[in-house]
Amino acid sequence: DTAVSQTPKYLVTQMGNDKSIKCEQNLGHDTMYWYKQDSKKFLKIMFSYNNKELIINETVPNRFSPKSPDKAHLNLHINSLELGDSAVYFCASSQWTSGTGELFFGEGSRLTVL
Amino acid sequence: AQKVTQAQTEISVVEKEDVTLDCVYETRDTTYYLFWYKQPPSGELVFLIRRNSFDEQNEISGRYSWNFQKSTSSFNFTITASQVVDSAVYFCALSEALRANSKLTFGKGITLSVRP
Repeated sequence: DTAVSQTPKYLVTQMGNDKSIKCEQNLGHDTMYWYKQDSKKFLKIMFSYNNKELIINETVPNRFSPKSPDKAHLNLHINSLELGDSAVYFCASSQWTSGTGELFFGEGSRLTVL
Repeated sequence: AQKVTQAQTEISVVEKEDVTLDCVYETRDTTYYLFWYKQPPSGELVFLIRRNSFDEQNEISGRYSWNFQKSTSSFNFTITASQVVDSAVYFCALSEALRANSKLTFGKGITLSVRP
């Protein structure tokens, strides 16, 4: 069983479209994250949720809206996609919000905006 | 604010050579955690090690070893007798612990190429 799973793994779409990426973890963790990895491999946090509550919103444009229906799921919806949104998006989970535990990452979702 | 610097961007070695990946961090907190992650060409992020700020003991795991020195704010990673399968991007990361909004801050990564 995959601990943190993301779908889809690849997403190719046109500018202006709206798309969603889904993430699920079966580790029983309370905290989930979205990270963005750009073309230079730089990893930056976007959001974190603890038990469905938003904890970190790292000055991400309003076009990005995370939703956590329960603590095992954290989805990412992106409106009006722009070329600069092309990246790999990683979902992750950890047992605590306090930064003491390692993050378990999904395999990533590669988004290409044309 | 916390910061992680991986000054080396790309390293190329021949198989069986030893290689050290450098990591320097900045934080105002006294309690923090340091991590190393590996990202092989397949793209997933693999956890390698976690070290808390109160534990400066070096760690060895097979061909991997880590040297944590608070005096120089460094947490360096050495691969002994490198192998082609070690080719990957390696990230050092820092989290300031015991905060409700703690986040993992990554360095820019070091691309390691091990040639046969």
